[in-house]
Amino acid sequence: DSGVTQTPKHLITATGQRVTLRCSPRSGDLSVYWYQQSLDQGLQFLIQYYNGEERAKGNILERFSAQQFPDLHSELNLSSLELGDSALYFCASSGGGGSYNEQFFGPGTRLTVL
Amino acid sequence: DAKTTQPPSMDCAEGRAANLPCNHSTISGNEYVYWYRQIHSQGPQYIIHGLKNNETNEMASLIITEDRKSSTLILPHATLRDTAVYYCIVRSYQAGTALIFGKGTTLSVSS
Repeated sequence: DSGVTQTPKHLITATGQRVTLRCSPRSGDLSVYWYQQSLDQGLQFLIQYYNGEERAKGNILERFSAQQFPDLHSELNLSSLELGDSALYFCASSGGGGSYNEQFFGPGTRLTVL
Repeated sequence: DAKTTQPPSMDCAEGRAANLPCNHSTISGNEYVYWYRQIHSQGPQYIIHGLKNNETNEMASLIITEDRKSSTLILPHATLRDTAVYYCIVRSYQAGTALIFGKGTTLSVSS
């Protein structure tokens, strides 16, 4: 158990819909990262937040957005969903802003868009 | 960040040492080598990291060549539960902290 929790575990929805994925980092961790894993693209970094502020962006679509709240939990919002958005979405957390800290991953949310 | 090259797959007998190689010939002096693994669609799991000295923890050992252009992750006594995709990642502290995953090596441990 990494200490990172993600909800829901599974999500099935239709094209055009909007969903919200939630992540609670390990106690004390200030950084939250979102990653997407699809069959054809592998694991890809989407976005990072540090203590409530956006820190880095990766291959995140404009239809996707995220935020980190004062209690440090984070939400990833996916809108206008397409079939290609079906994937595993992982959240990870780490202890500080420096890159040496290892990241601890949650169990993921499996999103299926029909 | 420097790119890494790993073999797509490897096999190992249970109880034997698994040696997973990684080439990172363009690594810079301030870049660390990290290893993660992912067991069947679970969240990736941190294994070990190092800069230039060999490192060992309860999970594995990391051997980095003197020129730092390659490294080897060693699982000393592989078990069936070590079957996973292993990712070698090089990270620069100046380039942000995200992990850039390649395709990794699928290690299959069999009895």
